[in-house]
This record gives sequence, structure tokens and C-alpha cells, in this order.
Amino acid sequence: GENVEQHPSTLSVQEGDSAVIKCTYSDSASNYFPWYKQELGKRPQLIIDIRSNVGEKKDQRIAVTLNKTAKHFSLHITETQPEDSAVYFCAASRGNQGGKLIFGQGTELSVKP
Amino acid sequence: ETGVTQTPRHLVMGMTNKKSLKCEQHLGHNAMYWYKQSAKKPLELMFVYNFKEQTENNSVPSRFSPECPNSSHLFLHLHTLQPEDSALYLCASSQDTGRGSPLHFGNGTRLTVT
Repeated sequence: GENVEQHPSTLSVQEGDSAVIKCTYSDSASNYFPWYKQELGKRPQLIIDIRSNVGEKKDQRIAVTLNKTAKHFSLHITETQPEDSAVYFCAASRGNQGGKLIFGQGTELSVKP
Repeated sequence: ETGVTQTPRHLVMGMTNKKSLKCEQHLGHNAMYWYKQSAKKPLELMFVYNFKEQTENNSVPSRFSPECPNSSHLFLHLHTLQPEDSALYLCASSQDTGRGSPLHFGNGTRLTVT
């Protein structure tokens, strides 16, 4: 079945360093790839998304890259800050099933001051 | 105010109880979803409703029964649950189920089955 693998499961960085989280997906028909951030005890919130017709997208300190051939996409956070500490989830969906997101297992990011 | 409101925030129930989770969205969206979030596991899609019609049941046991009376409200009726059903249940909404509609999540109901 459809599957999204996410690595690493935990990531610890020093404040100011960059963080990279990687995901691979199995369904070649997937064409929408959002990233969600979930702080402790709070709801997941969309931070950035990318569609299959684009290879890279940036929003201030956050960027996402997509390699459709290899079926993987990555989240890049630069100049990390303590408030970036959270669990990050990647997800993928296909075609006209935009809401049927298949999520990765999550990455717990810890940014140490 | 998140735009998607879930009640209750916490629920403890015995295996023989019947309870319901409620979700309401104020975003004018047409699609609503139930997701289950268990520790150390990815978010699992349970049900999808688009314009009040159920479009997805992701092999969810019948002890979970969804209800969507209109596009703004979604319920999850629970009965004879098992301890392994303990989890965070998240409701979400999106404009529709079409291409790339971002999900807006509620704060979830933390369910404990004793």
C-alpha cells in the first residue's frame, strides 16, 4: 500500500545550525507534499507545502525540495531557533485525493540554545 | 481560535461505555476528516467526508461510527472500545478533497480507554 518513510526520528541541533528532514514515498501518483509542525500538546499546523510541478519552494528560513524521480522530498530549516523545537511530519497525497494524506512517522526536532 | 474546534479535550471511558467526539469548523470548508494519532506511529486517516458524504473509510473497526450532519459538523461515536484505541483523535477540515487542499486540524481529543 501507500507508504511514506521519514528520517530521522529524532534530531538535535544547536541554535543557529541547519536541520534537514527527509521523506520518501511509494506512490508514484503522489503530487502534493505538505509538511506539518506539531508542538507539544498542540495540533499539527501546516508550515509549507509543495506540488509535483515544482522542485523547490522557500518561505523565509524554511525550504522544501522535491525529487520526483527518486520519490523523495526534504525539509530544510536554516538558522534554527529554540522555538523550532517540535515534531515535524511530512505527508503525501495523490491527484484528486488531496485530503487523503499519508503521513510519515514524524521527526522530533530539538534545538538547543 | 483555531477555526476547528473539538470537544471534549480529554475523555476517559470504560470498554462498555458509549461516548461521542464532536468537531466543528468555522472555515467554510466542505471536507472534514478524522485522524488517529498514537504514540510512535504516523497519523492514521480514519474517515473522510466531502459535502457531507463519506468518501473514505480506511478499514476502521465498526466500534467507531462517524456522522456528518452538515459540512460544519463531524462526530465520532464510540462504543465497546478497546484499550488499544487510546490515542489522540484529530479532526481536520479542508476546502474540499481536491488537489492539494491543506488540512486545518483541531486540537484533538485525548481518549483513554480503561
